[in-house]
Amino acid sequence: DAGVIQSPRHEVTEMGQEVTLRCKPISGHNSLFWYRQTMMRGLELLIYFNNNVPIDDSGMPEDRFSAKMPNASFSTLKIQPSEPRDSAVYFCASSWSPGQGSEAFFGQGTRLTVV
Amino acid sequence: QQQVKQSPQSLIVQKGGISIINCAYENTAFDYFPWYQQFPGKGPALLIAIRPDVSEKKEGRFTISFNKSAKQFSLHIMDSQPGDSATYFCAASGRGTSYGKLTFGQGTILTVHP
Repeated sequence: DAGVIQSPRHEVTEMGQEVTLRCKPISGHNSLFWYRQTMMRGLELLIYFNNNVPIDDSGMPEDRFSAKMPNASFSTLKIQPSEPRDSAVYFCASSWSPGQGSEAFFGQGTRLTVV
Repeated sequence: QQQVKQSPQSLIVQKGGISIINCAYENTAFDYFPWYQQFPGKGPALLIAIRPDVSEKKEGRFTISFNKSAKQFSLHIMDSQPGDSATYFCAASGRGTSYGKLTFGQGTILTVHP
């Protein structure tokens, strides 16, 4: 398996623009997580899906952030409008979760820079 | 409120030495405690994990020690190698939730000198 695949790897955008980050989880995994990593706040969970349904979005910072999982093999994280403080590395992770299940596998991340 | 506190922020060790990283948690509902290793430009990768029903788990040169009463756990890296130089994160997950729903510590940058 190729692991969790994220695209793009790097994104530079201007303040106010819409940004869409994409994730393909590991085949067979039914839980998907979006994390954000910054120097100030470290790694923090934004949202968690199980069987394509959002279970916990308490980490989503503002209404400017939205996430979807239309099917088991694809998820998006959208920021609209983007702001410089959104600059961070965004990670997608997936796991198999019957109950607590297995470890989470992380993708390579998308480094977002908003100028 | 930070729920998992990690120390030190950075650590320098000579090749062959022992690296020790400590974490403390507050939420007694946590019942899964993994350590992740992250290299520059890569995502975190699971190194070793422990459940609170055991006090120690060893995998090769890596050992987790767990003290449930003190709500503390630590990572020991024996015979540290330059290839171990990375950022290490402790984390915790709550009872009844997915192991992927993690609260992370702030990370420790480990440098192993040859």
